[in-house]
Amino acid sequence: AQTVTQSQPEMSVQEAETVTLSCTYDTSENNYYLFWYKQPPSRQMILVIRQEAYKQQNATENRFSVNFQKAAKSFSLKISDSQLGDTAMYFCAFMKHGDYGGSQGNLIFGKGTKLSVKP
Amino acid sequence: ETGVTQTPRHLVMGMTNKKSLKCEQHLGHNAMYWYKQSAKKPLELMFVYSLEERVENNSVPSRFSPECPNSSHLFLHLHTLQPEDSALYLCASSRRGVNEKLFFGSGTQLSVL
Repeated sequence: AQTVTQSQPEMSVQEAETVTLSCTYDTSENNYYLFWYKQPPSRQMILVIRQEAYKQQNATENRFSVNFQKAAKSFSLKISDSQLGDTAMYFCAFMKHGDYGGSQGNLIFGKGTKLSVKP
Repeated sequence: ETGVTQTPRHLVMGMTNKKSLKCEQHLGHNAMYWYKQSAKKPLELMFVYSLEERVENNSVPSRFSPECPNSSHLFLHLHTLQPEDSALYLCASSRRGVNEKLFFGSGTQLSVL
């Protein structure tokens, strides 16, 4: 069974600074997807960034980038130039590659990290 | 706004009540999902519907009954719930066979008294 661990329940960062959120996972699968989702107070889960395990290059989306270490099963999220609107819960999630075509949507989530961006 | 709408936003019900949660997507997706988000627990997948057929039931108690009348609508019928069922219920949708990105609604915050 797959598990996702986020060891930082809460973090804070000053506006315009950089922060890194940690995520580790456990799986015996070789092909899979990893995601970071953001859940602001509006409660809507918003996809921030995704990574295919077979790609060695780290994914980036504007101010958001990941450090994917497949051998270490680590998938951290770096937020650069933090903005007040980045304040939210951040969830790391895992999906088996086979689940894409089959029981798609079986995302395994971590417990989340509450990020506060301070002015 | 991600194109997935859930109603009601909040719901309080007694243990003997029957209520339904509604989800609607306007994205042309062909798969829909129910997730449960409890305090201090990771999100849990409850049900998956693909092309209006249930393809996943993650050992969910029978007091939760999903219904997917068409590809745009998904319901979760609730009856004789327990206080531990209090949680945020999130609906999501995706285009199965194209990519793995899920789009979520804002959820229904359910309190069972």
